[in-house]
Amino acid sequence: GNSVTQMEGPVTLSEEAFLTINCTYTATGYPSLFWYVQYPGEGLQLLLKATKADDKGSNKGFEATYRKETTSFHLEKGSVQVSDSAVYFCALTNTGNQFYFGTGTSLTVIP
Amino acid sequence: NAGVTQTPKFQVLKTGQSMTLQCAQDMNHEYMSWYRQDPGMGLRLIHYSVGAGITDQGEVPNGYNVSRSTTEDFPLRLLSAAPSQTSVYFCASSLFVPGQGGEEQYFGPGTRLTVT
Repeated sequence: GNSVTQMEGPVTLSEEAFLTINCTYTATGYPSLFWYVQYPGEGLQLLLKATKADDKGSNKGFEATYRKETTSFHLEKGSVQVSDSAVYFCALTNTGNQFYFGTGTSLTVIP
Repeated sequence: NAGVTQTPKFQVLKTGQSMTLQCAQDMNHEYMSWYRQDPGMGLRLIHYSVGAGITDQGEVPNGYNVSRSTTEDFPLRLLSAAPSQTSVYFCASSLFVPGQGGEEQYFGPGTRLTVT
C-alpha cells in the first residue's frame, strides 16, 4: 500500500538555523511527492512538489529532492525565519485519486 | 478566483443532530475530497470524488455521506453527529487525469466542528 512517514515533532529552532524534516514513503510505481505547510487557523498550502525521481522541488528557500533509491523526500532550508513557524506535511499520490499524508511536523522558530 | 471555499467556519452540534458542511471550488477541478484533521493523526481521507456523479470512500467514511451533483460542489453530510466526529474538516480539490500522476491539491480554510 501507500503511506508516508514523517519525523516526529515538535521541532524548535533558533532563527537562521538549518532545518531538516525527514519524510520517507512507501508506494507502488512512481508517485508524485509534495510538501504542504499549514499556518495556525488556516488550511494547507502547497510548498513544493516533485513528480519524478531526482527532481528537486523548491520554493521560498525550502528544497526537497525525490530520492527513489531511499524512498525519501526530506525538506530542508538553510536559514529559517520566525515566519516559517508552522506545521509541515509530507504527502504523496500515485494515481491522483487518493492522496496520503504524513502526520505533520510542527516547527517553531524562536528569535 | 475564490479557490476552495467552505462554510461554516465553526459549528457546534449536539449528539444526534445532523448537518451539512458545504464545499465549493471555482477552478473546474474534477477531483474533490474531504479530510478530517485530528491531533497527532495528520489528515485522514473521508470521501472523494473524481467527477460529477462519482464518489468513493476513503480511509474513515463511517458516519459521513457525500454526493456530487455538479463539478463545483461537494457537500459532506453528518446524519447523526457523535462526539468522535469532533474535528477540523478540510475540503480539497485538484486536477485529475486518469492513469497519470497526481497534481497538487488546493485546500479550503476548514470547518471546526465540535459535537457535545
